[in-house]
Amino acid sequence: GAGVSQTPSNKVTEKGKYVELRCDPISGHTALYWYRQSLGQGPEFLIYFQGTGAADDSGLPNDRFFAVRPEGSVSTLKIQRTERGDSAVYLCASSLRLAGGMGEQFFGPGTRLTVL
Amino acid sequence: AQSVSQHNHHVILSEAASLELGCNYSYGGTVNLFWYVQYPGQHLQLLLKYFSGDPLVKGIKGFEAEFIKSKFSFNLRKPSVQWSDTAEYFCAVNAPPYSGGGADGLTFGKGTHLIIQP
Repeated sequence: GAGVSQTPSNKVTEKGKYVELRCDPISGHTALYWYRQSLGQGPEFLIYFQGTGAADDSGLPNDRFFAVRPEGSVSTLKIQRTERGDSAVYLCASSLRLAGGMGEQFFGPGTRLTVL
Repeated sequence: AQSVSQHNHHVILSEAASLELGCNYSYGGTVNLFWYVQYPGQHLQLLLKYFSGDPLVKGIKGFEAEFIKSKFSFNLRKPSVQWSDTAEYFCAVNAPPYSGGGADGLTFGKGTHLIIQP
């Protein structure tokens, strides 16, 4: 079956612009996660959806970042007024949310965002 | 909040050498532990995981890891590495809600870049 897909694979934008990054999870996976990976660092948790709702958005760095998952499948990460420091690879992962804990997270290829 | 520390940022080994990559975490409660690998040009993929039970877990491609609760460690091992093991390795932890942690998202270490020389 298809894995997690993310579009675009690369996005170059100018400082101050608005960007949207899309994640298409594995079919049937109820849990969806967004992470950000800066150069030389491990992925950093941003937000977790269980179904349509954001169950944990504690990792969003500020209110310029927002994510939605309106139908419980595809998710969009939205960044307003982009800054050069937002440049990173944005990773999406999905999993089956198993009782008593979480299932394995399957990662997508990421979107490399460059803010000039 | 949890944190994860990977001691070696870069490791260079020859083929057939034994491998041990260190990982320590800080969190006082019950945790789930993971090792992920990212081969050049590929996605992050799970090598192995520990949720409960036998603290010695075996993963794919001959890797294993041992959870030592008293040391807050989850070191990754492989007895004999191959050139194809060249990759970035990430240790990760989460503290699931049922343990009182309330954190489904993974906390990753900074990664270890492993280079295997033929």
